[in-house]
Amino acid sequence: EAGVTQFPSHSVIEKGQTVTLRCDPISGHDNLYWYRRVMGKEIKFLLHFVKESKQDESGMPNNRFLAERTGGTYSTLKVQPAELEDSGVYFCASSHPGTSTDTQYFGPGTRLTVL
Amino acid sequence: GDSVTQMEGPVTLSEEAFLTINCTYTATGYPSLFWYVQYPGEGLQLLLKATKADDKGSNKGFEATYRKETTSFHLEKGSVQVSDSAVYFCALKRALGGTSYGKLTFGQGTILTVHP
Repeated sequence: EAGVTQFPSHSVIEKGQTVTLRCDPISGHDNLYWYRRVMGKEIKFLLHFVKESKQDESGMPNNRFLAERTGGTYSTLKVQPAELEDSGVYFCASSHPGTSTDTQYFGPGTRLTVL
Repeated sequence: GDSVTQMEGPVTLSEEAFLTINCTYTATGYPSLFWYVQYPGEGLQLLLKATKADDKGSNKGFEATYRKETTSFHLEKGSVQVSDSAVYFCALKRALGGTSYGKLTFGQGTILTVHP
């Protein structure tokens, strides 16, 4: 079974540009999460999809970030326009619906550098 | 709000040494607790978990016990190997019923380096 995949693995852009990150969850996983780790700090939650619906987007930092999950399969996270402080590693995770202890499986992350 | 505090690293040990990485948490109710590990060049992997007080999670020689009285979930291993070199993250997830129950709250991560 394929794991969670993310694309690209690295992205280097200039301030003011737009970047779109993609996450493909494990097949059949309705729950999809985005997290971000900035500058070696803790990994912080951004948002949670259940199928195509946003269950919790309390961690989205501002309206420059837009997440979508059309059709309830893969998800994209767009940053427009990017700022220096957006640099970091963006992780995606997915889990099978069930109890509150369902395990989240993480992708390898996308390292975003904004110059 | 919920928070997780890990001992600051980096931690450097010799092979076969004993490892402890401290983790304490603040949360309402009875969260589930996790340790994730990130090996160089890879994504996060679940190492072990515990879902209620006094539960012990274990995997690959690592152990952690859910201590509600001290709100702790310290990670231990009796004899580390070079291959254990990685970043270790402690995390919690709020119990089912809260509006944010799905998300994980992480600590800062602890870099472990094991020398031969």
